[in-house]
Amino acid sequence: DTAVSQTPKYLVTQMGNDKSIKCEQNLGHDTMYWYKQDSKKFLKIMFSYNNKELIINETVPNRFSPKSPDKAHLNLHINSLELGDSAVYFCASSQDSSRGSIQYFGAGTRLSVL
Amino acid sequence: AQKVTQAQTEISVVEKEDVTLDCVYETRDTTYYLFWYKQPPSGELVFLIRRNSFDEQNEISGRYSWNFQKSTSSFNFTITASQVVDSAVYFCALRSTGKLIFGQGTELSVKP
Repeated sequence: DTAVSQTPKYLVTQMGNDKSIKCEQNLGHDTMYWYKQDSKKFLKIMFSYNNKELIINETVPNRFSPKSPDKAHLNLHINSLELGDSAVYFCASSQDSSRGSIQYFGAGTRLSVL
Repeated sequence: AQKVTQAQTEISVVEKEDVTLDCVYETRDTTYYLFWYKQPPSGELVFLIRRNSFDEQNEISGRYSWNFQKSTSSFNFTITASQVVDSAVYFCALRSTGKLIFGQGTELSVKP
């Protein structure tokens, strides 16, 4: 049983398209996150939701919109994809939003924008 | 401001060698947490350890050990008798406020 699952694992698309990445966790956690890992492996948080409420919103273009229909799901929708959006996107979850709460990551979604 | 520095970008060792991955952090907070994650070639991120700022006890888990020293703001990770399966990118991370801040990662290559 995968604790944090993301779909799809790979996403290849053209510039200008709109795409979504889905994330689900079956750990009963309250908090979920989206991270971006660039080509140099640098990991940076994009968003965080706690019990469906947005609590972290980093400096991310408005083209990126997270949606949390319930606390087990956090999806990421990207409009008007650009070449620079090519990266690996990781979803994660933690028991709560406290600083000591361990974040468990999904396997990642590799997005390639052509 | 929070910052994590992993000065070693790449390390290459031969199997059975011991290797230490360095991590230096910066924070003004007195309460914070440090983490290590492993990213094997398959790409997923695997949690290894968490340490809070009030617990300076070193930890050993099998061939893995961690040395936390507040005096030097370091949280180093040692793999004893390395194996090929240890080849991965290892990330050190810090959380003292809202966000988990990652270091740049150290790519470890263990050759047979």
